[in-house]
Amino acid sequence: QVQLLESGGGLVEPGGSLRLSCAGSGFSFSDYYISWVRQAPGKGLEWIAYISGSGASLHYADSVEGRFTISRDNAKGSLFLQMSSLRAEDTAVYFCAKGWASHRFGAGSYYPDWGQGTLVTVSS
Amino acid sequence: QSALTQPPSVSGAPGQRVTISCTGTSSNIGTHYDVQWYQQLPGTAPKLLIWGNTIRHSGVPDRFSGSRSDTSASLAITDLQADDEADYYCQSYDLSLRALVFGGGTKLTVL
Repeated sequence: QVQLLESGGGLVEPGGSLRLSCAGSGFSFSDYYISWVRQAPGKGLEWIAYISGSGASLHYADSVEGRFTISRDNAKGSLFLQMSSLRAEDTAVYFCAKGWASHRFGAGSYYPDWGQGTLVTVSS
Repeated sequence: QSALTQPPSVSGAPGQRVTISCTGTSSNIGTHYDVQWYQQLPGTAPKLLIWGNTIRHSGVPDRFSGSRSDTSASLAITDLQADDEADYYCQSYDLSLRALVFGGGTKLTVL
């Protein structure tokens, strides 16, 4: 059974940094692309970062480009999101979402499996 | 403002049929990028309902169906049930933005 478990959320001051993790189990971790998708309180879903199964292909939304870094450790079955220069508008629940192939960004990119999310609050 | 536009809310009585629209542009749905649909129950993670415009994800009842035409897509739910009450999101890829995009979401209320 596929499981994705996010951790690392919490309260951070504006300008601060935070590292989120997503532990995957029940599947061959390196065989699937994964994205981070966030949801601000009471708002809709926003895709923010993508990484291919090998880690060689990365894509970011303009809203986080240059501030956030997605990475993965396939040996440990873990995905990460290093967030820096955090702003109030980064306050959201952050979900990791697993794709269906090793690399698909663009046509045919969708997410059958999601974690339960971790809340990041940026406030002084 | 989302690249994909959905109505903020729809409603229907149990047993009825409702549709949720997702309007895009020539840089996403109109460029033939597939549309997906997700259901998000209150306080939970999104669940994939439809992928590739019309294909139901495993375990999704056939009461849910998707369609696409030109620059828009629709999700239809027949025989509406109380536990269908949720937020629904469409998703595609936008060539101009070079990003995966979601609609703003539609809250379905079962009367």
